[in-house]
Amino acid sequence: DAGITQSPRHKVTETGTPVTLRCHQTENHRYMYWYRQDPGHGLRLIHYSYGVKDTDKGEVSDGYSVSRSKTEDFLLTLESATSSQTSVYFCAISESSTEETQYFGPGTRLLVL
Amino acid sequence: GDSVTQMEGPVTLSEEAFLTINCTYTATGYPSLFWYVQYPGEGLQLLLKATKADDKGSNKGFEATYRKETTSFHLEKGSVQVSDSAVYFCALSVGGGSNYKLTFGKGTLLTVNP
Repeated sequence: DAGITQSPRHKVTETGTPVTLRCHQTENHRYMYWYRQDPGHGLRLIHYSYGVKDTDKGEVSDGYSVSRSKTEDFLLTLESATSSQTSVYFCAISESSTEETQYFGPGTRLLVL
Repeated sequence: GDSVTQMEGPVTLSEEAFLTINCTYTATGYPSLFWYVQYPGEGLQLLLKATKADDKGSNKGFEATYRKETTSFHLEKGSVQVSDSAVYFCALSVGGGSNYKLTFGKGTLLTVNP
């Protein structure tokens, strides 16, 4: 299994508070991704990174920001959490531009009250 | 844009039954195709993949063939087990520049009863 951890694994927060989720990898892979999983929607890409300090938006990026200051860490921040951001968040990694397979972390379950 | 459509679940089967989960896609380029599986409480795991037309991906008794003419990648297994109960996601990836982004279907919940 790819070495991917996510923290926290579960979080309950209140509307309007900032929240940061962390993805940590030990594989030294260049590409990292954040997805959210919601019933009836499958997984949707929020943001991705193609290198340290290099990030770009996915299809559902509004209300989210990311940072990547080290190869191994990719942070997802909800600037001001809303109930619509209640979801399960998955981090994924892939090795290179010629390797399409993505490997997923265990997920973070976030509840925004 | 790129999209994946897979059969809606839930699908409930008895052990040793034959499984088919349909998946069709639309893509602007020439995609690679994937099936991922998610067991309860876990993240997604790659089940199989195919990167060009007529390729067959296989793993753990599951198979899927990349059919370009019908833009399909249906998942099949000849004899399911209780341990196959999970959510199955079809996905595609089309390389753009130096990055590959996965587009997922909505997932199909499979329950296998003993």
